[in-house]
Amino acid sequence: ILNVEQSPQSLHVQEGDSTNFTCSFPSSNFYALHWYRWETAKSPEALFVMTLNGDEKKKGRISATLNTKEGYSYLYIKGSQPEDSATYLCAFNAGGTSYGKLTFGQGTILTVHP
Amino acid sequence: GAGVSQSPRYKVAKRGQDVALRCDPISGHVSLFWYQQALGQGPEFLTYFQNEAQLDKSGLPSDRFFAERPEGSVSTLKIQRTQQEDSAVYLCASSVDSYSNQPQHFGDGTRLSIL
Repeated sequence: ILNVEQSPQSLHVQEGDSTNFTCSFPSSNFYALHWYRWETAKSPEALFVMTLNGDEKKKGRISATLNTKEGYSYLYIKGSQPEDSATYLCAFNAGGTSYGKLTFGQGTILTVHP
Repeated sequence: GAGVSQSPRYKVAKRGQDVALRCDPISGHVSLFWYQQALGQGPEFLTYFQNEAQLDKSGLPSDRFFAERPEGSVSTLKIQRTQQEDSAVYLCASSVDSYSNQPQHFGDGTRLSIL
């Protein structure tokens, strides 16, 4: 059973604050690490797919880093806005015989207060 | 629209009834995935298809759960003799294929409540 953990479980920040959260995953049999943002009443939206150790990806004010040797990824949001409020999910892909199968963490619920 | 479409959005059924959930993937997407999300948890993998072939069904919780994608496009997830523990959000996702590390594109989900 693959163990994907996210921390913290929830986070409250003020508008303008920068924040970050963590996803930890097995360091063996790594194929890819996905990040998704899931706003209430909407569908999960893909943010990043990360595949290489040391990868850094950026999309606007959101960026992510990847360390496959130690099994963690950080997601950073610079200058949080109320519209960033959502659940942020990471998902691990071990490849092998089931390339498409994603194992999700439980998510980090971010609330940005105006 | 161009996204993944799921129907119905909400489904209420009595324990013991059969239900069928539909997923219309993005046109041209080869891979299709089903996930189950219980309250307060992340989505859990149920099964996935590459075209019409069901390559992995290791996440289906029991033989009451059955998925098909007969023509390699629309997929149906069927749950027979529903139980209260089947209450969850069922998410469908599609991707260009499962080998190239493309993101999965999700539908809005079907919220299933078993009374």
